[in-house]
Amino acid sequence: EVHLVESGGGLVKPGGSLRLSCAASGFTFINAWMSWVRQAPGKGLEWVGRIRSKTAGGTTDCAAPVKTRFTVSRDDSTNTLYLQMSSLKTDDTAVYYCTDGRAYWGQGTLVTVSS
Amino acid sequence: DIQMTQSPSSLSASVGDRVTITCRASQSISRDLNWYQHKPGTAPELLIYGASSLQNGVPSRFSGSGSGTDFTLTINSLQPEDFATYYCQQGHGTFGQGTEVEIK
Repeated sequence: EVHLVESGGGLVKPGGSLRLSCAASGFTFINAWMSWVRQAPGKGLEWVGRIRSKTAGGTTDCAAPVKTRFTVSRDDSTNTLYLQMSSLKTDDTAVYYCTDGRAYWGQGTLVTVSS
Repeated sequence: DIQMTQSPSSLSASVGDRVTITCRASQSISRDLNWYQHKPGTAPELLIYGASSLQNGVPSRFSGSGSGTDFTLTINSLQPEDFATYYCQQGHGTFGQGTEVEIK
């Protein structure tokens, strides 16, 4: 059975940093492209960033609103996906999901950016 | 970034109705298009991938079509459990704004 479990969310002040983790199991993580998606309160789903599998180059892309502040990375030895977030803004307050870009999603972790 | 424009933003429908939601990409994405159903407090559920392939376990009243820049999600004979928000997404990329399907 596939499991994606996010962790690392919480309350952080504007300008602060946070690293989210996503522990994956039940599928061949090393071959999977992975993404982060968020949903701010009362808003729709927003794609945050993706990382390709190592065989596809392992490169990353992030959405324009976070491109200079967020970094997606992976550790295929531990089947873990990461989202490093810096210079956080109140607009980054959201539930953050990791996903394989199709059917597998975590339960989400809440990030609240507030003073 | 590729932009995904979804319409309508909301609609009211009755049980048994046929519902159609459209999604337009700002440039060709071939058939790299997913459709999701999302209910509050839960993770999104994949309905359609590759523009027209039905995800395992999803009822056959859901169907998808299109390629290039124009895509459609159709729900035949809307059921009570189908009232939710629907999103299109370029694979590993941008989402549409969502379509909220409400009970008439």
